[in-house]
Amino acid sequence: NAGVTQTPKFQVLKTGQSMTLQCAQDMNHEYMSWYRQDPGMGLRLIHYSVGAGITDQGEVPNGYNVSRSTTEDFPLRLLSAAPSQTSVYFCASSYSGAGNTEAFFGQGTRLTVV
Amino acid sequence: GNSVTQMEGPVTLSEEAFLTINCTYTATGYPSLFWYVQYPGEGLQLLLKATKADDKGSNKGFEATYRKETTSFHLEKGSVQVSDSAVYFCALSDGGGSEKLVFGKGTKLTVNP
Repeated sequence: NAGVTQTPKFQVLKTGQSMTLQCAQDMNHEYMSWYRQDPGMGLRLIHYSVGAGITDQGEVPNGYNVSRSTTEDFPLRLLSAAPSQTSVYFCASSYSGAGNTEAFFGQGTRLTVV
Repeated sequence: GNSVTQMEGPVTLSEEAFLTINCTYTATGYPSLFWYVQYPGEGLQLLLKATKADDKGSNKGFEATYRKETTSFHLEKGSVQVSDSAVYFCALSDGGGSEKLVFGKGTKLTVNP
């Protein structure tokens, strides 16, 4: 069972370039999320989805787009990369909307914008 | 809004020492509380959780008790090992589901032999 798979693991972008961070899960989870992790900041929620076709903004959504066309996939798009988006990005999924449900995390994508 | 404040590190201990990492929270309602652990180069994984007041979560020798009166969820372990070296995050579920977790800033623990 692969769990949550993120690609790529590392990426360097130039300012202004666009790219898509991929996230796929094979656990048939309805709920998926994207977080960014910055030194001294913990993880902050970017966008989340409660099912195919349904997405919503988190704490830090500016500069990012998401879509959820299938249960398995939840890509994160950077429209025009900025140095402030240099971070480690984590995708997570959970099977239920109940507050006590465990979230499963991918291994992360380390993005550097120069 | 909801928030989590946890003890900032780094924390360095010798093997077999006692560990406490403090965590307090601010929340409306009754959120579930979690400790997640991140080993070097990996994603986060659930260490333990508690869903209501006075619940105690436990796993791998770690424990934490949901204290509503002090809005706290401190992580403890009686005897740490080198393999416990990692970053520990306290978190709560924000507004209901685990698709919206609010995290503390993380505490890096290093255990020396």
